[in-house]
Amino acid sequence: DSGVTQTPKHLITATGQRVTLRCSPRSGDLSVYWYQQSLDQGLQFLIQYYNGEERAKGNILERFSAQQFPDLHSELNLSSLELGDSALYFCASSTGGNQPQHFGDGTRLSIL
Amino acid sequence: GQNIDQPTEMTATEGAIVQINCTYQTSGFNGLFWYQQHAGEAPTFLSYNVLDGLEEKGRFSSFLSRSKGYSYLLLKELQMKDSASYLCAVRDGDQAGTALIFGKGTTLSVSS
Repeated sequence: DSGVTQTPKHLITATGQRVTLRCSPRSGDLSVYWYQQSLDQGLQFLIQYYNGEERAKGNILERFSAQQFPDLHSELNLSSLELGDSALYFCASSTGGNQPQHFGDGTRLSIL
Repeated sequence: GQNIDQPTEMTATEGAIVQINCTYQTSGFNGLFWYQQHAGEAPTFLSYNVLDGLEEKGRFSSFLSRSKGYSYLLLKELQMKDSASYLCAVRDGDQAGTALIFGKGTTLSVSS
């Protein structure tokens, strides 16, 4: 158990819809990262927050947004969903710097 | 640009030693991580190198040569449970934040 909690574990929805994925980091970790993993692309970095502020952006689509709340949990919002958004979405947390990132179990998103 | 290369697949037998190579090209470098990921599960942290040389941790060792943009993960006394995907990831020091750039992973199959 990494200590990072993600909900829900599975999500099935239709094209054009909007979903919210939730992540609670390990106790004491200020950094939260979101990654997308699809079969052909591997793990792709989406966005990082540190203590409530956006720190870095990766290959995140404009239809996607995220935030980190004062209690340090984070949400990833995906809107106008397309078939290609079907993937595993992982949240990871760390204390920052070069400390290892610890991953949650992921949310499997299926778009029908 | 940023590029991380690993072999797609490797096979080995129980009790053997296997070396998984990783080459990287990033605009900056601030550490290399290895993660293990079983199918459908979260990546778990294995090792971290930031200086040249070998880091040993039980049956797993990781080596880094920054001048060559090269790392390897060495797994000794292979067990069936070591069948998994092994992900090489680099922290690009020129980018803001501490996100990781992942290779597509090497799927290792261990047979008896």
